[in-house]
Amino acid sequence: SQKIEQNSEALNIQEGKTATLTCNYTNYSPAYLQWYRQDPGRGPVFLLLIRENEKEKRKERLKVTFDTTLKQSLFHITASQPADSATYLCALANNAGNMLTFGGGTRLMVKP
Amino acid sequence: EPEVTQTPSHQVTQMGQEVILRCVPISNHLYFYWYRQILGQKVEFLVSFYNNEISEKSEIFDDQFSVERPDGSNFTLKIRSTKLEDSAMYFCASSELGGGFDNQPQHFGDGTRLSIL
Repeated sequence: SQKIEQNSEALNIQEGKTATLTCNYTNYSPAYLQWYRQDPGRGPVFLLLIRENEKEKRKERLKVTFDTTLKQSLFHITASQPADSATYLCALANNAGNMLTFGGGTRLMVKP
Repeated sequence: EPEVTQTPSHQVTQMGQEVILRCVPISNHLYFYWYRQILGQKVEFLVSFYNNEISEKSEIFDDQFSVERPDGSNFTLKIRSTKLEDSAMYFCASSELGGGFDNQPQHFGDGTRLSIL
């Protein structure tokens, strides 16, 4: 069966450092992968999308990589700030693109 | 920036009762979705809707669930006879185009917390 796994343990880092979050998947051949941010009691907020033929995508302090051989995406936040503290969700779409399957998310805590 | 809005923010219902959750998607969006998140668990897909039809649904979306777009702006999720295990946060989302097109993020509302007693 299809699985998307993110590190369920919280990631604690110091302000200014780079946070790296991992998303691994099995039994999928996604056309693209998305990353969302979720704050407590709020809905997911879209951050970045990367297609299967792209190795890397950047947006401001965010960077996503996508390795379809390893079946893994890495999500980086450089120069992290306390305001970056949230849960980060990885999501894969089905072939028709009309259904997202989410990972369990990784909670990031950035300490001042 | 346009938002997806959901009402009510919190709904408390007796088991066995019908409940309707309401959503106003972003106005120029054509694809609509419902997801749910049980406390402490993953966000789970329920259903997607396009051109007044369901385009995909999950195993969770059984005969007790239905969706409707009764007018040009609202998108509703109905649960006919609620069960205790329906207690969750329900998120509505919309996207401008379908996933077959590039760069189609889904825009989520802040959810309705449904509590079944």
